[in-house]
Amino acid sequence: GQSLEQPSEVTAVEGAIVQINCTYQTSGFYGLSWYQQHDGGAPTFLSYNALDGLEETGRFSSFLSRSDSYGYLLLQELQMKDSASYFCAVRGRDDKIIFGKGTRLHILP
Amino acid sequence: ETGVTQSPTHLIKTRGQQVTLRCSSQSGHNTVSWYQQALGQGPQFIFQYYREEENGRGNFPPRFSGLQFPNYSSELNVNALELDDSALYLCASSLSVGNTEAFFGQGTRLTVV
Repeated sequence: GQSLEQPSEVTAVEGAIVQINCTYQTSGFYGLSWYQQHDGGAPTFLSYNALDGLEETGRFSSFLSRSDSYGYLLLQELQMKDSASYFCAVRGRDDKIIFGKGTRLHILP
Repeated sequence: ETGVTQSPTHLIKTRGQQVTLRCSSQSGHNTVSWYQQALGQGPQFIFQYYREEENGRGNFPPRFSGLQFPNYSSELNVNALELDDSALYLCASSLSVGNTEAFFGQGTRLTVV
C-alpha cells in the first residue's frame, strides 16, 4: 500500500520561511510532487522530485531523500497569497498519483 | 486556467439516484484521473483512464465507474448515491501515464441529500 504523512497545519509570519515535511511509504516509487490548493480552487502543480536533492523554482523549493522516504517543500519570502493547503503526492510503480491529507498554511501579517 | 473543464460545477442529488460527471482534458493529454476530495482532506484516487482503458483503480466500490472517449474526454458515473458520496470530484489530465504533472479541473461539488 501507499501512505503519506504531513502536518495538518503550519503557521508562519509574512516574509518568513516555512518548511512543510512529508514522509511516505509506497510499494515502488517514481517521484514526489507538491500541489497547492486555495480554498474553493483546484490543486495546482508546484514541483516534482524524482532524484535526491533540492529543486528550486522561484520562492519555492522542494527536497527529496529517497533513502529516508522523506521530502519537504520550502517556501521563502512568504506572502499572504501563499495561504493555502499544500499536498505532497507520490507516483508509485502503478503510475497512480496518491495524495497526502494536506497541510494548511496560515500566514500572519 | 489549466484547460481542463468539468461539468456541472455544482449538483444536488437524492440518495439512491445516479449521477454522471464530465471532464474535458487538456489538449494533447491522453490520461485522465478522477479524485474524490472530502472537506479538509486530500484528493482520494478513484481511477485513471489511459487511451480509453481503465489503468488503475483506488479503493472505491463498483458503483463508481467511468469512461474515456476517443477524444480523451471522460465521464465518472456513480450509482446508488449515498450521503457519504457528497464531496468535490476532481478530474486531472496528464500528457501520458508516466507524466508527473497533473492538471486539475475546478471540480464538481456533489451534494447528496
